[in-house]
Amino acid sequence: AQSVTQLDSHVSVSEGTPVLLRCNYSSSVPPYLFWYVQYPNQGLQLLLKYTSAATLVKGINGFEAEFKKSETSFHLTKPSAHMSDAAEYFCVVILSLMDSNYQLIWGAGTKLIIKP
Amino acid sequence: NAGVTQTPKFQVLKTGQSMTLQCAQDMNHEYMSWYRQDPGMGLRLIHYSVGAGITDQGEVPNGYNVSRSTTEDFPLRLLSAAPSQTSVYFCASKRLRQGPYEQYFGPGTRLTVT
Repeated sequence: AQSVTQLDSHVSVSEGTPVLLRCNYSSSVPPYLFWYVQYPNQGLQLLLKYTSAATLVKGINGFEAEFKKSETSFHLTKPSAHMSDAAEYFCVVILSLMDSNYQLIWGAGTKLIIKP
Repeated sequence: NAGVTQTPKFQVLKTGQSMTLQCAQDMNHEYMSWYRQDPGMGLRLIHYSVGAGITDQGEVPNGYNVSRSTTEDFPLRLLSAAPSQTSVYFCASKRLRQGPYEQYFGPGTRLTVT
């Protein structure tokens, strides 16, 4: 069975320092992985996606993620945190690729806290 | 375009009451879905629809009904609310031919059942 594990429920960093949000997956087939972001009191927004092309994926707002098959990881990083990055981040894997018969498996989420 | 809209934003129900969460989209998307978001569990799919008149169950359908009489609207009904249904509910939509990650999400409805 496919699953997604976000290793930290909360991550706290100081403004201007690097961000690392960790995500591991288990999958019996090559996965499609992506990250969503949810800002306070808002809906979910796609941050970036991996669909078996380049292993280093760039997203919006300066975030990027690297797919590492040997480590079954898809960690999200940003070189320098901004206050506006404070949000909850979700790592997601697709269970099936069929248009109308798929399921998104969501990680539990990581709350990113930015200290001034 | 308003995108995906949801009403109400907040709702408090007593156990046993019924209500309908509204979802509408103005992008002519065939696919619409409902998720619930619980702390520490990510999002779980409740029901989805691939077009008007067609609905199907997701991962956690029990206690919820849906219908899709038009392309634009996809209401979620709670027939007899239970405290276990306290959650944040998200509606999403996309074109059927788009990738499953290319969903547009509404702002959510925060439901508390006492």
